[in-house]
Amino acid sequence: KNEVEQSPQNLTAQEGEFITINCSYSVGISALHWLQQHPGGGIVSLFMLSSGKKKHGRLIATINIQEKHSSLHITASHPRDSAVYICAVRSGNQFYFGTGTSLTVIP
Amino acid sequence: DAGVIQSPRHEVTEMGQEVTLRCKPISGHDYLFWYRQTMMRGLELLIYFNNNVPIDDSGMPEDRFSAKMPNASFSTLKIQPSEPRDSAVYFCASSPGLAVEQFFGPGTRLTVL
Repeated sequence: KNEVEQSPQNLTAQEGEFITINCSYSVGISALHWLQQHPGGGIVSLFMLSSGKKKHGRLIATINIQEKHSSLHITASHPRDSAVYICAVRSGNQFYFGTGTSLTVIP
Repeated sequence: DAGVIQSPRHEVTEMGQEVTLRCKPISGHDYLFWYRQTMMRGLELLIYFNNNVPIDDSGMPEDRFSAKMPNASFSTLKIQPSEPRDSAVYFCASSPGLAVEQFFGPGTRLTVL
């Protein structure tokens, strides 16, 4: 059983659509990370959350500690948002990773 | 700052050879992480250091893998002997703390023939 589950695995959207990627986890966590990996392979850390909500530009990340669930929202999606989005959690000294959501935004 | 620097960017070697991957973290960052990414297993944390001391190496797959951080500006990940199943992209990341975002290097693509 994976400690971190993401959904959907793959997502195709039209430019301008509102997008939601979900992450559920089964362990107690100190923090949750959202990572973005572009087709070229580089990884960028988007957010680190331990509670509540964070917003950066068109990206919003929320976390519900009681429900062990986080969402990443992208408003007014754009083709440059096409990437793999990875959810990761830290539990004590351990890190657990989701398998990623591959997002394609079509012009 | 130039960001996290990794070398080499690509490495092709033959089974049984020793491979050394290098990482220079962002100056002032106290944490350094080594990750491995494969299609089959996704992103995995191998080991991380705090102030040059290994904190958790439970992700290191086996004794063939070793990592060192002799000083705050340099770390190595060594595989000896290498095997084809070690083929992957190896990322190094650093951060000023555990409760903040990590900054990733460009990765080293390792191919073991």
